[in-house]
Amino acid sequence: EVQLVESGGGLVKPGRSLRVSCTGSGFTFGAYAMSWFRQAPGKGLEWVGFIRSKANGGTTEYAASVKGRFTISRDDSKRIAYLQMNSLKTEDTAVYYCARQTVYAVDNWFDPWGQGTLVSVSS
Amino acid sequence: DIQMTQSPSSLSASVGDRVTITCRASQRLTSYLNWYQQQPGKAPKLLIFAASSLQRGVPPRFSGSGSGTDFTLTISSLQPEDFATYFCQQSYNTPYTFGQGTKLEIK
Repeated sequence: EVQLVESGGGLVKPGRSLRVSCTGSGFTFGAYAMSWFRQAPGKGLEWVGFIRSKANGGTTEYAASVKGRFTISRDDSKRIAYLQMNSLKTEDTAVYYCARQTVYAVDNWFDPWGQGTLVSVSS
Repeated sequence: DIQMTQSPSSLSASVGDRVTITCRASQRLTSYLNWYQQQPGKAPKLLIFAASSLQRGVPPRFSGSGSGTDFTLTISSLQPEDFATYFCQQSYNTPYTFGQGTKLEIK
């Protein structure tokens, strides 16, 4: 079974850092791009960023709202994607999801998603 | 950024009904449009990719259509487990943006 499991969420003060992890199983982790999304309480979905597979350069792209503060990385030997969040703001409070990204030609879709991990930023 | 507008924002329907949700993009997407279902407290689940391709394991009562700027998700005969929130998402370019969601409720 293809599965993603996030971990590492929690309560953090504004301005501090937190790293959340996404562990994959049931598929060739290194062959896929991995994306991160978030959903603030009671709100819609927001794409945070993604990391390409090493075969496609392992490069990253980010939403403007997190660029320069968040960093996505991957360790394919451990089957883990990371989201390092620095300089956290109260508006970063959300459930953070990772998702496997399938790239076909120039199209992309996201499946499966992990169960999510809650990040709360509050003093 | 590409703006995605879904309608309606909420919808009441009965088991067995046929329902259609629409999604309009602020620029042409060709067919780079995905649909997701989200149950309360759960992660989104991919239903349709590339506007009309049914994800493996998704019941065939779900279908997607459209191209360019206008897309639809149709559920041919609502089942109790279909009452959820549905989101469209454009994958034409980053940032990948979502519609605001359509909450499907039991009448």
